[in-house]
Amino acid sequence: QVQLVQSGAEVKKPGASVKVSCKASGYTFTSYFMHWVRQAPGQGLEWMGRINPSDAHIHHAQKFQGRVTMTRDTSTSTVYMEVSSLTSEDTAVYYCARELEGTCYFDFWGQGTLVTVSS
Amino acid sequence: EIVLTQSPGTLSLSPGERATLSCRASQSVSSSYLTWYQQKPDQAPRLLIYGASSRAIGIPDRFSGSGSGTDFTLTISRLEPEDFAVYYCQQYGSSQYTFGQGTKLEI
Repeated sequence: QVQLVQSGAEVKKPGASVKVSCKASGYTFTSYFMHWVRQAPGQGLEWMGRINPSDAHIHHAQKFQGRVTMTRDTSTSTVYMEVSSLTSEDTAVYYCARELEGTCYFDFWGQGTLVTVSS
Repeated sequence: EIVLTQSPGTLSLSPGERATLSCRASQSVSSSYLTWYQQKPDQAPRLLIYGASSRAIGIPDRFSGSGSGTDFTLTISRLEPEDFAVYYCQQYGSSQYTFGQGTKLEI
């Protein structure tokens, strides 16, 4: 069955970076875009960007360009998202979610990774 | 960027009643790219409706979606206890994906 398994919770200081992983299984890794969506405590969902695992092409939300990096490792079917220059406003649950190319919706989500930014 | 506004913010109903949730876009959205999700506390969102009106696999037929242009609706015909959750609409347009702020459906 399809699984997206994310790395564990992180606590970071302001100004630091965090890297979250999402390991996919149960489907053809390169056939689906992988997106990152975050949710601050008690707030709604915010799209951050996507990576095409087939060619590593990235498309960011305008807000996150320059501060978010996405990579993939096809040998392990894992995508990574790194956020730099963290502030308290980056405290959130970060989800990976897949999209069958061209459908423009997210049909399966990871379990989420809580990132807490605190001094 | 297309802004999605959901209403009401909170909807208080009882099991067995009908729920109508609204999602309004700041400019026209292709129906092909309007999606609804359900999120329960401490869980990831779950795909409910895609293409404005198509149910995802395993979604009961009491959930239905409709609408076009700038106005979309999610209807739950007869609420079950497990339907009380937060619902989000989402769209794709101009190379960006955006979500509404959510509607909380509470007992």
